[in-house]
Amino acid sequence: KNEVEQSPQNLTAQEGEFITINCSYSVGISALHWLQQHPGGGIVSLFMLSSGKKKHGRLIATINIQEKHSSLHITASHPRDSAVYICAVSRPSGSRLTFGEGTQLTVNP
Amino acid sequence: NAGVTQTPKFQVLKTGQSMTLQCAQDMNHEYMSWYRQDPGMGLRLIHYSVGAGITDQGEVPNGYNVSRSTTEDFPLRLLSAAPSQTSVYFCASSYSIGLGTYNEQFFGPGTRLTVL
Repeated sequence: KNEVEQSPQNLTAQEGEFITINCSYSVGISALHWLQQHPGGGIVSLFMLSSGKKKHGRLIATINIQEKHSSLHITASHPRDSAVYICAVSRPSGSRLTFGEGTQLTVNP
Repeated sequence: NAGVTQTPKFQVLKTGQSMTLQCAQDMNHEYMSWYRQDPGMGLRLIHYSVGAGITDQGEVPNGYNVSRSTTEDFPLRLLSAAPSQTSVYFCASSYSIGLGTYNEQFFGPGTRLTVL
């Protein structure tokens, strides 16, 4: 079983829909990261959080440390949000990351 | 700042050939790492470095060598390429690794490698 599991693997939505991507992990962590990988391949960091909730524009990330679960929400989705969203965790021993397999999001106009 | 740069963007090798994937960052980051990304699998750590002169193995180090002679550069060498090394390779950096700390990772654009 992978240490970091994401669901769903694939998600198709209509423009304007509210989207949720889930991440569960089975190990102790110092932080959880949400990354975005666009079709061109580049990877950018969206959020890094160790508790509570963070918001950036239409993106919201939450984490429940007790349940070892995080969610990434996208409000008012747009076709430009189409990308692979990757959850990763930092172990307490340092910055090394363990990654989930990613969620392919497609937002249709 | 250019951030994290990687060269080449694309490369085709024959089995047995060797090559070096280049990675550089201009943010004075201590921590640098190499990952490979394969379909159906998450990014996997190949090698990492916590500073100039210090490197260590990740999850999938076999067939790869690294060195860190400067803070800026972290090349990845394929000694004798095999078809199993066909993948997309990403270099990443962050400010520090320190125990109990966590830092935003900055990724390069990736190198798509095909080994025939």
